[in-house]
Amino acid sequence: AQRVTQPEKLLSVFKGAPVELKCNYSYSGSPELFWYVQYSRQRLQLLLRHISRESIKGFTADLNKGETSFHLKKPFAQEEDSAMYYCALAGTSGSRLTFGEGTQLTVNP
Amino acid sequence: NAGVTQTPKFRILKIGQSMTLQCAQDMNHNYMYWYRQDPGMGLKLIYYSVGAGITDKGEVPNGYNVSRSTTEDFPLRLELAAPSQTSVYFCASAGRVQTNEKLFFGSGTQLSVL
Repeated sequence: AQRVTQPEKLLSVFKGAPVELKCNYSYSGSPELFWYVQYSRQRLQLLLRHISRESIKGFTADLNKGETSFHLKKPFAQEEDSAMYYCALAGTSGSRLTFGEGTQLTVNP
Repeated sequence: NAGVTQTPKFRILKIGQSMTLQCAQDMNHNYMYWYRQDPGMGLKLIYYSVGAGITDKGEVPNGYNVSRSTTEDFPLRLELAAPSQTSVYFCASAGRVQTNEKLFFGSGTQLSVL
């Protein structure tokens, strides 16, 4: 079975502060991991995926297989980063994504 | 580009009523999904389909039914609405859920069962 855990339901930081959204997973094989974001009144959309090793809107995430984590980080948070963030996992068998519970990030001015 | 289109956007049902949530995609995607989003619970998979004529249960299928007669459409049916089905429902599609593929989501349907 595959499982994704986001331990923080709510996270509040000030503008310019670093932010880290935690994601832990359990999966017996080699997972594909993603971060999805839902801005207010917008559709859920892909933010980044671990396989691409990309930085999107200043966010990065590194897959740590030893700690089974895929934390999302940004060195300097902006007010427009306020949103709901979901970590998701796809197993090697494909066909379905498992989402975490989500973290509501609020960046205060 | 329409992408994934869901209708209706909002609906209020009485207990015991039935309804169908519509979902259509114009990207020729094989994979389609129905999720429900409850506060603090994240997204839970209700049903999914890997192609026309093929459907399978997700984590929370009870009280729902789906069909996939065409590649484009993936309707979700609630037969006897219950208050526990009050939620926001999202339809999503993907070419294939493998490396480098992503889900495209619809705008959601907010359903209240009173």
